[in-house]
Amino acid sequence: QVQLQESGPGLVKPSQTLSLTCTVSGGSIRGNAYYWTWIRQPAGKGLEWIGHFYVSGRTSYNPSLKNRVTMSVDTSKTQLFLRLMSVTAADTAIYYCARSQLIENAFRVWGPGTMVTVSS
Amino acid sequence: DIQMTQSPSSLSASVGDRVTIACQASQDIHYYLNWYQHKPGKPPKLLIYDAANLETGVPSRFSGSGSETDFTLTITSLQPEDIGTYYCQHYDSLPYSFGQGTKLEIK
Repeated sequence: QVQLQESGPGLVKPSQTLSLTCTVSGGSIRGNAYYWTWIRQPAGKGLEWIGHFYVSGRTSYNPSLKNRVTMSVDTSKTQLFLRLMSVTAADTAIYYCARSQLIENAFRVWGPGTMVTVSS
Repeated sequence: DIQMTQSPSSLSASVGDRVTIACQASQDIHYYLNWYQHKPGKPPKLLIYDAANLETGVPSRFSGSGSETDFTLTITSLQPEDIGTYYCQHYDSLPYSFGQGTKLEIK
């Protein structure tokens, strides 16, 4: 079955760009039945939907991130990328990638998550 | 944006107790509501989708109900492994969002 694994630098300096990768194994991002999503959890807080990517290239982002976020995939359609620009300490969080079906948008498949700290 | 409000924020119950967690949406979200269990160091786990459908492999002591703005997650007989934080999540419209979470502990 499909498995997801997040990766990226654990430490990012303020004002820089956070870049994360979600590697898909046991499948790919080619299927048209799924959204590929980034979700984060700041320390001591709840879950926040960052946005999702659809195989057509269509993306949707949380307006709370104020145009700082972009999502894309690689040509082999096995890696999902997240870029978050101009980071601050408020972006310190565990970042998860997850997959949901188009119909009920339930996140059934998750990566284990990766911790990102924004600090100088 | 639709706001999701859970209550209580935390609760402590005994093994075997019936536990109820409420989730209220700021507007009608029909039945577009999912529930997750989250334990430290692990990703969230889907329990209930579309307000009332039990996810495959989830114990039958978990159930969900509700529609429009008011939803409930019920655990009929609390087990020690049920400790964790529970989140509701709507998908009625973008941006999707989660409730603030309910932390469940065992007395």
